[in-house]
Formats: sequence, structure tokens, C-alpha cells
Amino acid sequence: EAQVTQNPRYLITVTGKKLTVTCSQNMNHEYMSWYRQDPGLGLRQIYYSMNVEVTDKGDVPEGYKVSRKEKRNFPLILESPSPNQTSLYFCASRGQGAPGELFFGEGSRLTVL
Amino acid sequence: QKEVEQNSGPLSVPEGAIASLNCTYSDRGSQSFFWYRQYSGKSPELIMFIYSNGDKEDGRFTAQLNKASQYVSLLIRDSQPSDSATYLCAVRGSQGNLIFGKGTKLSVKP
Repeated sequence: EAQVTQNPRYLITVTGKKLTVTCSQNMNHEYMSWYRQDPGLGLRQIYYSMNVEVTDKGDVPEGYKVSRKEKRNFPLILESPSPNQTSLYFCASRGQGAPGELFFGEGSRLTVL
Repeated sequence: QKEVEQNSGPLSVPEGAIASLNCTYSDRGSQSFFWYRQYSGKSPELIMFIYSNGDKEDGRFTAQLNKASQYVSLLIRDSQPSDSATYLCAVRGSQGNLIFGKGTKLSVKP
């Protein structure tokens, strides 16, 4: 089954404790992206990757890091989480061809205390 | 700054009615337009996409695109309570990235 898998789905952590949210897709997609979603603010792009070893900042990259060492994986790293990073996070991927819609993971709800 | 604007709602319609959701975008170079449905706490799922001016129909859903007016809409006929969700408009701009509106919350009352 074609899917984007994120882990963990739910996480409560404390300020400053480094964490990684993993994302993996099995559709051989070149493009992968991370979004955060907050009430009233919609989906905001954090980082995206056009292919292996190619990453770029989205609209809200501060406090986050990413890497793309393999095509299927695109982890999101919070080196020193803060309460304002409490949010619902989505990983998404898409292929090169039309129509180019995004396929989303199930989401990771992160709470930073 | 490329923008996609949607009325946040909530839009409330009775069961069986037509729900009309609207979206405007700022990038005249935009090529592809998408409607996603998102249930509370769940991930967005694609309902429809449209490239060309005019209408595109898929079951109870019709997407309408007017590039001259930079306007895209989604009509849901015979609305059902299960259609109650937030609908996200997304636009692929001239630089390739997908830009999302903040979504319109739809409530279908039995």
C-alpha cells in the first residue's frame, strides 16, 4: 500500500530535549516536505526536499532541521524544542509527474512543556 | 508573498443542499489547483484537482476554475453530514511549491 509513515504519532516532551520525527514514503517520490498546522494559521511549510541531499527552507524553518540522505526518508529534527513548537506536524511527498498532488502522512501531534 | 485566501467559515448548510466553497489566489502564474478535505485531527486527503478553466465534475463534487479572476471553487451537491470537515484549497504556483489556504470549515446539518 502506498503510504507516508510518520513516527511518533503523539509525543509529549519538555523544553530543550532533542527529538526527531521520522517520515518515510514507499512511493519513490522525489519531493518531500514538512508542515505544521496550528489553529487559525493553516498549514505552514517548514522545510522541503526536491531530492536526495537537496533541502530548502519553507515559510517557518526556525528551530527545525532536516536531512535527506535517502530518497524514502525525511526526518524532522528539533534540536532544542520550545513550547511554541507545540503543534500538529505533517510529512508529505509527491512524485514528479502530473498532477503532482501531495500525499500526507497521518500526522504527529507534538506537545512541548 | 504568494497567497491563497479562503473564507474560514464555518459554512453551515442543511443536508441535501449544495455547499459552495471559494478560494482566490494571488500568483497569476499558478498552474494546478487542488481541493483537500481534512477531518478534525486527521491528515488532508485529496478530493479533486483542476488545471484548465471551466468545470470538472467527480461524483457529487465539481471544481470550477477561472484563471482570469484568479478564482477556484468547489461545489458539493446533495451535501451529507459526513461531508462536514475543513476544506483546503491549494495552488501550485509558478515556483512549483504548493501553497495552502487556511481552509473553510463546512458543517452539514441533518
